[in-house]
Amino acid sequence: KAGVTQTPRYLIKTRGQQVTLSCSPISGHRSVSWYQQTPGQGLQFLFEYFSETQRNKGNFPGRFSGRQFSNSRSEMNVSTLELGDSALYLCASSFDSLYNEQFFGPGTRLTVL
Amino acid sequence: AQKITQTQPGMFVQEKEAVTLDCTYDTSDQSYGLFWYKQPSSGEMIFLIYQGSYDEQNATEGRYSLNFQKARKSANLVISASQLGDSAMYFCAMREGSGGSNYKLTFGKGTLLTVNP
Repeated sequence: KAGVTQTPRYLIKTRGQQVTLSCSPISGHRSVSWYQQTPGQGLQFLFEYFSETQRNKGNFPGRFSGRQFSNSRSEMNVSTLELGDSALYLCASSFDSLYNEQFFGPGTRLTVL
Repeated sequence: AQKITQTQPGMFVQEKEAVTLDCTYDTSDQSYGLFWYKQPSSGEMIFLIYQGSYDEQNATEGRYSLNFQKARKSANLVISASQLGDSAMYFCAMREGSGGSNYKLTFGKGTLLTVNP
C-alpha cells in the first residue's frame, strides 16, 4: 500500500512569490492535514480537510490556504512568501476517527530567499 | 498552558539499554488520543504507538511501549533494547475529542535521542 506522497520535496522561492504544495493521501483516507515545522515554533497545525471541506484551521495568516479534491488529494498555497515561511511542510492522512493515527508524508522543504 | 510538554530536550542511551522519554499532557476532554512519532534526520514522521484515553492497558508495539498514567496525565514512551537506528527526534502528540479541535494533532517540542554504541 503506497504511503502519503508529497511534491515537490524541495523548493526554493524568493520573497513575494507564491507556492503550491501537493499531497496525495493513502488510498482510502479521506482526512488530510497540513503542518508546518520550524526550529523555533516546532510542529504547528495549519488546516485539515475532509471530503473537500476544511474542518479546522490553525492560527496562520490568510496567506496560507488549501483545498482538497474529490479524490482526496490536497494542495496548500502560500502567497506573498516571507522569509519566515521557510519550513518543512508536512502532510498527513488518516481515516476519519479520533482514534486513528495520522500517517505523514516525507514533507516539502521550502526555502524562501 | 502547553498542551503537550516534553521536558527532555535531549537524551543519551547506550545501545541495548532501555530508555524512557517523558510526556505530560493537558486536556479537559474525556476522549482523547495520545501518539508518539519518530522523526529521523530525513524529516519524515514515523508513527510509533497510540494510546486512547479509555484504553485500560498500556499500548505496546514491538520494542515500544507507552506508560500511560491517566491521573498524572503522563504518557511516557519506553524503548527497550535501544538500537543505533533509534537515534532520532521523538514527538509526543495529542488529539482531543471535543468541539472543532478533534481533527488536529498537538505536538510537543520533541526529545532528541542519541544511541551510543
